[in-house]
Amino acid sequence: GESVGLHLPTLSVQEGDNSIINCAYSNSASDYFIWYKQESGKGPQFIIDIRSNMDKRQGQRVTVLLNKTVKHLSLQIAATQPGDSAVYFCAENKGAQKLVFGQGTRLTINP
Amino acid sequence: GAVVSQHPSWVICKSGTSVKIECRSLDFQATTMFWYRQFPKQSLMLMATSNEGSKATYEQGVEKDKFLINHASLTLSTLTVTSAHPEDSSFYICSAVPGGYRETQYFGPGTRLLVL
Repeated sequence: GESVGLHLPTLSVQEGDNSIINCAYSNSASDYFIWYKQESGKGPQFIIDIRSNMDKRQGQRVTVLLNKTVKHLSLQIAATQPGDSAVYFCAENKGAQKLVFGQGTRLTINP
Repeated sequence: GAVVSQHPSWVICKSGTSVKIECRSLDFQATTMFWYRQFPKQSLMLMATSNEGSKATYEQGVEKDKFLINHASLTLSTLTVTSAHPEDSSFYICSAVPGGYRETQYFGPGTRLLVL
């Protein structure tokens, strides 16, 4: 039969603006979360991670927020640049070092 | 640091042939590597966990006799797609975890397989 691909959520942002990408995770017992960036035709690139004993963690131009109450994770990218255009995935630790990936969000930076 | 390579980056083969994909950790040792496949516009799906010196652990629904995994050293894991068919066409990505109790996976650049 015909296979139907998922439609990635998309987000368009003007260059220089801030962007927020959201992710809902499934397992309340997950204690480690990672955001990855994937450019077309490439493997995922580590951006930032956070453990469940933290609510917020900052990196260079990126901030990850974790709300365990509602099982929600977000990635904030400040002062977006054209090179930030990519698909962003959140991932949660499933145990035994396994990761479960979210569906991804396609971020497009408009000049 | 934490660089992972894959070879080849893309491959086209005829239906029925076998294809081997290599995954190497270049600047660290990896006791554990993972193999994923990704269809267009979809997320990564874990296929199997590759452990150095032991048999791979496959996810539910993944045929171990079709996707052979060998993790013979701390820096190399191979995935062989046996008797490939067009439905095996996909983007195959490996990741590696540095030794010790670490959780961050570092990904290779992926291998695009097209089976004709």
